[in-house]
Amino acid sequence: EDKVVQSPLSLVVHEGDTVTLNCSYEVTNFRSLLWYKQEKKAPTFLFMLTSSGIEKKSGRLSSILDKKELSSILNITATQTGDSAIYLCAEGTNAGKSTFGDGTTLTVKP
Amino acid sequence: GAGVSQSPRYKVAKRGQDVALRCDPISGHVSLFWYQQALGQGPEFLTYFQNEAQLDKSGLPSDRFFAERPEGSVSTLKIQRTQQEDSAVYLCASSLDRDAVLSGNTIYFGEGSWLTVV
Repeated sequence: EDKVVQSPLSLVVHEGDTVTLNCSYEVTNFRSLLWYKQEKKAPTFLFMLTSSGIEKKSGRLSSILDKKELSSILNITATQTGDSAIYLCAEGTNAGKSTFGDGTTLTVKP
Repeated sequence: GAGVSQSPRYKVAKRGQDVALRCDPISGHVSLFWYQQALGQGPEFLTYFQNEAQLDKSGLPSDRFFAERPEGSVSTLKIQRTQQEDSAVYLCASSLDRDAVLSGNTIYFGEGSWLTVV
């Protein structure tokens, strides 16, 4: 059974800190790894990673995939209170199905 | 509409009652997904449509759950004889491409339908 594990489960930081969120996966047929930000109840897409070692970047957020270690990290630099959310990692095993981790709850204090 | 729209946003059902949850995907989106998210957990896959065809329903937890997308746009998730363990947020998502997880196009989620079974 495909499995995605995220760590830490929760994290509390202060504005300006840099955070690293971890995601590891065990899948039989890896295709892509996806990161989402979930505020309220609608996850919003952040990144899709398919190739190892290539960093994807969007503003203060960046992510990279390590296929050898079966893992990915999501970095957020200079955190702001608006970054407070649940960050979800998912593995896209086929066209229609993603296996999600349970998320990391990030709280950024002023 | 501009995004994926789900209704109702909140539903309280008595145990044993049937419920129907509606999803209006972004116009023209080929792929549509349903996920179930329990409190404190990540979304769990229920089913997937490509246009009107239900290509994968392996995540539906029991035969009480049924989903359809008869004209390839709006989809309905129906839960018969609801039980307390069905209480969760039901998320719908859509994507322009057939191979959403590899196409590079984003997958858009709705805000979900929060079901509470009492």
